Amino acid sequence: DTGVSQDPRHKITKRGQNVTFRCDPISEHNRLYWYRQTLGQGPEFLTYFQNEAQLEKSRLLSDRFSAERPKGSFSTLEIQRTEQGDSAMYLCASSHSSIYGYTFGSGTRLTVV
Amino acid sequence: DQQVKQNSPSLSVQEGRISILNCDYTNSMFDYFLWYKKYPAEGPTFLISISSIKDKNEDGRFTVFLNKSAKHLSLHIVPSQPGDSAVYFCAASRGNAGKSTFGDGTTLTVKP
Repeated sequence: DTGVSQDPRHKITKRGQNVTFRCDPISEHNRLYWYRQTLGQGPEFLTYFQNEAQLEKSRLLSDRFSAERPKGSFSTLEIQRTEQGDSAMYLCASSHSSIYGYTFGSGTRLTVV
Repeated sequence: DQQVKQNSPSLSVQEGRISILNCDYTNSMFDYFLWYKKYPAEGPTFLISISSIKDKNEDGRFTVFLNKSAKHLSLHIVPSQPGDSAVYFCAASRGNAGKSTFGDGTTLTVKP
């Protein structure tokens, strides 16, 4: 197992465009998380799944953000009508519900111009 | 309202000495605490954790101390090595709820 994989590593998009990121978790892990990190700050929780069910979504997350985890395997995070404030590192992590501590991917860096 | 705070943005120590990274939290419902280490261009890596039923947890050169009454935890690294130079994040969660709340990190530099 190669760990948590995120694609793409970098994305530059024009304001107003839609973007989609993919995360492939560790296969034995039933939980998958999305976090956002901006420079000088810690990861900020966006949402998490247990298997295919989305169990929690941050109240800070606007309706332009949506995440899916079909069949409880990989996950996608879509941002519609991107804004400059969406520029950040988007981190995916996975874990097993019986174990504390996440395994993070290397992230997708989004730049909205 | 930042519920997990790391008040020192940076720390510099000499190789071989002790590094002490601090973290404060405000939410008394947090009962599990974790430390992550992050190198540039990589995601954070889980380092060590502690449950609120304990006041100390040790793993090799890393020890985490928890003071529940002060809502304070610290990570001790001894002896510090240049390879420990990274950003360290403190995180807290409520039980095994999945979601963790992170501090803003402390950049540790260990000088040879």
